[in-house]
Amino acid sequence: DTAVSQTPKYLVTQMGNDKSIKCEQNLGHDTMYWYKQDSKKFLKIMFSYNNKELIINETVPNRFSPKSPDKAHLNLHINSLELGDSAVYFCASSQNPWEGAPGSDPFLAKNIQYFGAGTRLSVL
Amino acid sequence: AQKITQTQPGMFVQEKEAVTLDCTYDTSDPSYGLFWYKQPSSGEMIFLIYQGSYDQQNATEGRYSLNFQKARKSANLVISASQLGDSAMYFCAMRDDYSNYQLIWGAGTKLIIKP
Repeated sequence: DTAVSQTPKYLVTQMGNDKSIKCEQNLGHDTMYWYKQDSKKFLKIMFSYNNKELIINETVPNRFSPKSPDKAHLNLHINSLELGDSAVYFCASSQNPWEGAPGSDPFLAKNIQYFGAGTRLSVL
Repeated sequence: AQKITQTQPGMFVQEKEAVTLDCTYDTSDPSYGLFWYKQPSSGEMIFLIYQGSYDQQNATEGRYSLNFQKARKSANLVISASQLGDSAMYFCAMRDDYSNYQLIWGAGTKLIIKP
């Protein structure tokens, strides 16, 4: 039973098209993330959501729009795709890092992020 | 600014030998977390091990251990008795507790285990 699942695994499309990548987690986590991994394997955070609220919004073109219909889902929609958007996109989830266990120090929360299998996007 | 450095772009190791993957970090904050992830050729990112900045003991998970040297700001991953299936990219990351707990990532080390 996959913990963080994202679809599709591969996405090949033409420049200028609009596409979406879906992500779902069944871990009961409150926080979800989107990352981009470029051809040199460098990982960069794009967005994070906590309980459907946008928390992190890095310098990403506004052609990229995340949508979180509920805390178990975080989808990524990309408008007007460009060649430079070709990459692997990862969804991840974690426990809410702003909340520790009752009586615990929130700074001691591990915030282990669990990743989906990735979506390889190729823009032609 | 927070930074993670992995100085070994690639490593070759003989099967069954132990291997150490280097990671140094740069932060002036007292609270942070350190993570190692494995990315095999199939592409998924697999969490391996975690070390909190306040943890007194080095973390261990099966064949993985984290050599945490706080004063030197290093968090090296040690894999004992390497196996062919350990061939993968390995990423070190640091949780920034003062910037929405986001992870700062190293560039990765490509480990190849030779039979």
